[in-house]
Amino acid sequence: EPEVTQTPSHQVTQMGQEVILRCVPISNHLYFYWYRQILGQKVEFLVSFYNNEISEKSEIFDDQFSVERPDGSNFTLKIRSTKLEDSAMYFCASSGQLSGNTIYFGEGSWLTVV
Amino acid sequence: SQQGEEDPQALSIQEGENATMNCSYKTSINNLQWYRQNSGRGLVHLILIRSNEREKHSGRLRVTLDTSKKSSSLLITASRAADTASYFCATVNTNAGKSTFGDGTTLTVKP
Repeated sequence: EPEVTQTPSHQVTQMGQEVILRCVPISNHLYFYWYRQILGQKVEFLVSFYNNEISEKSEIFDDQFSVERPDGSNFTLKIRSTKLEDSAMYFCASSGQLSGNTIYFGEGSWLTVV
Repeated sequence: SQQGEEDPQALSIQEGENATMNCSYKTSINNLQWYRQNSGRGLVHLILIRSNEREKHSGRLRVTLDTSKKSSSLLITASRAADTASYFCATVNTNAGKSTFGDGTTLTVKP
């Protein structure tokens, strides 16, 4: 079965450093998402992306965050100046249709900010 | 309270028993999806039920949706120790397609 792949699986970074999390969505999908899950908490929506632009973002997705689809396969989340509270599991997801289709998630990238 | 609340928060059963988890939500939805998450792992999609569907089956899983009550249930029949995980419902609204997750139910199946 096709799957969403994410790299790295785990990254430790110093506070204030920039981090880029990478995702390869399922190849024929058009809608892409980033979510995060702080340890022990619920999964939270960050941003959705369609047709090379952000279609929706949450309050969490402030100016320190950005997303990009630099080529036909990758979808990245950049955190410009990491803070301790950015430590979380970040999930990339994709779907084949805006509504009514399954949203498939990757295994996640665990970010630890020290 | 928030969109997509599951209950119970925790459920512990013996292998072979059935497990039922419930999810309530507040706003209109296009579909509702159930996911499983093993500790520290990704979200595994289990089943999607659309707003015009009432019941769906997949193997040992049965999902119901009652849009008048804004609730859904996930039934796992003949549970196995390997079913031990957290289970989340996620609603997809009609506009942006994003998923809104509940807090999840932690299921423990004892061998």
